[in-house]
Amino acid sequence: EPEVTQTPSHQVTQMGQEVILRCVPISNHLYFYWYRQILGQKVEFLVSFYNNEISEKSEIFDDQFSVERPDGSNFTLKIRSTKLEDSAMYFCASSDSLRMRSSYNEQFFGPGTRLTVL
Amino acid sequence: GNSVTQMEGPVTLSEEAFLTINCTYTATGYPSLFWYVQYPGEGLQLLLKATKADDKGSNKGFEATYRKETTSFHLEKGSVQVSDSAVYFCALTRSGGYNKLIFGAGTRLAVHP
Repeated sequence: EPEVTQTPSHQVTQMGQEVILRCVPISNHLYFYWYRQILGQKVEFLVSFYNNEISEKSEIFDDQFSVERPDGSNFTLKIRSTKLEDSAMYFCASSDSLRMRSSYNEQFFGPGTRLTVL
Repeated sequence: GNSVTQMEGPVTLSEEAFLTINCTYTATGYPSLFWYVQYPGEGLQLLLKATKADDKGSNKGFEATYRKETTSFHLEKGSVQVSDSAVYFCALTRSGGYNKLIFGAGTRLAVHP
């Protein structure tokens, strides 16, 4: 069964360093998302991506964040200069259609990357 | 704005007990409602969904009914198993738009033999 994969499973970095979190969405999917979950808190939407551009972003997704689909299979989240408060579990998700009338599309999630900023 | 509120966990039950996890929402328009489950070490999996009022979503013995009058989507199961131990997230998408999911805080369920 197709699945979303994420690498690495755990990333430890020093404050101020750049990190790139990688995701491989399900191959025929067209819509891509990043979410994060700070330990003990709720899962929060960061950004959605379609047709090689950002569709929507949250207020969390500031200039330190960027997303890219560099080669048609990977979908990356870059944090340019990490802060302590960026420590969280980051989830990638993808979906294959946007049913505007029913407002429903199933998003398939990866296992997450745990980012620890020291 | 749109939001989801879940009962706090952890919820600890014995095997074969009845489960209810409460979820209420605030949303404009007619959102779709979901329950996602996260097993240890895994990603979020869609458990069930309901896209309009009075719809009942069901899967693996779990069910939830979309109640617009009480803005609720409570998760229930008649007889839980140890394998149901996981974190359960209630979520919604607003009508229209790009379908970002808005999650509740999650409720951890622990089922003991």
